Amino acid sequence: IAGITQAPTSQILAAGRRMTLRCTQDMRHNAMYWYRQDLGLGLRLIHYSNTAGTTGKGEVPDGYSVSRANTDDFPLTLASAVPSQTSVYFCASSRTGQRLPSEQFFGPGTRLTVL
Amino acid sequence: GIQVEQSPPDLILQEGANSTLRCNFSDSVNNLQWFHQNPWGQLINLFYIPSGTKQNGRLSATTVATERYSLLYISSSQTTDSGVYFCAVGFFGGYQKVTFGTGTKLQVIP
Repeated sequence: IAGITQAPTSQILAAGRRMTLRCTQDMRHNAMYWYRQDLGLGLRLIHYSNTAGTTGKGEVPDGYSVSRANTDDFPLTLASAVPSQTSVYFCASSRTGQRLPSEQFFGPGTRLTVL
Repeated sequence: GIQVEQSPPDLILQEGANSTLRCNFSDSVNNLQWFHQNPWGQLINLFYIPSGTKQNGRLSATTVATERYSLLYISSSQTTDSGVYFCAVGFFGGYQKVTFGTGTKLQVIP
């Protein structure tokens, strides 16, 4: 079934540890995104990628990094996790990320707890 | 940045009732979506509707872009409609910037 997969589903992490959240899509979408969802704050964009090989910063990029080596994969790395990064993380993709708008589709999310 | 307001924030319906959810946004957009976040946390695409009217079963949506609002209609509500409904608007600012509203939490009771 075409769509977006994320791994892990959930994770408890000690503060200071490094963590990579994985995201893979099989829809051949050009653009991919990482959001975090926090109670009372809605979904906020962390990083985006308009096409393979390019990335950019969203609203709340500090403490996170991304890479886009190919079309399908868009991993999000927390270099040294802090408790304020406790959140639910969603990966999304859309057919285009440039001036032509297109529908965004979301993965199932990763629930991350940093202690 | 663009402001997205959704109303009502909370809604309790008896099964079978109809409802209208509203999304107001503060600036021109080229992209508008409605999502349902179910009780398991999944974000489900309902409509991609930058303008006009669409229908899908018991759900329909209308966006009047020139007046900066969108409406989501739910008819004959079912308990499975419970969850949070988000409106998300987008515009191009180097990338497709999407801003989510804070949602309408819907509970449908039998």
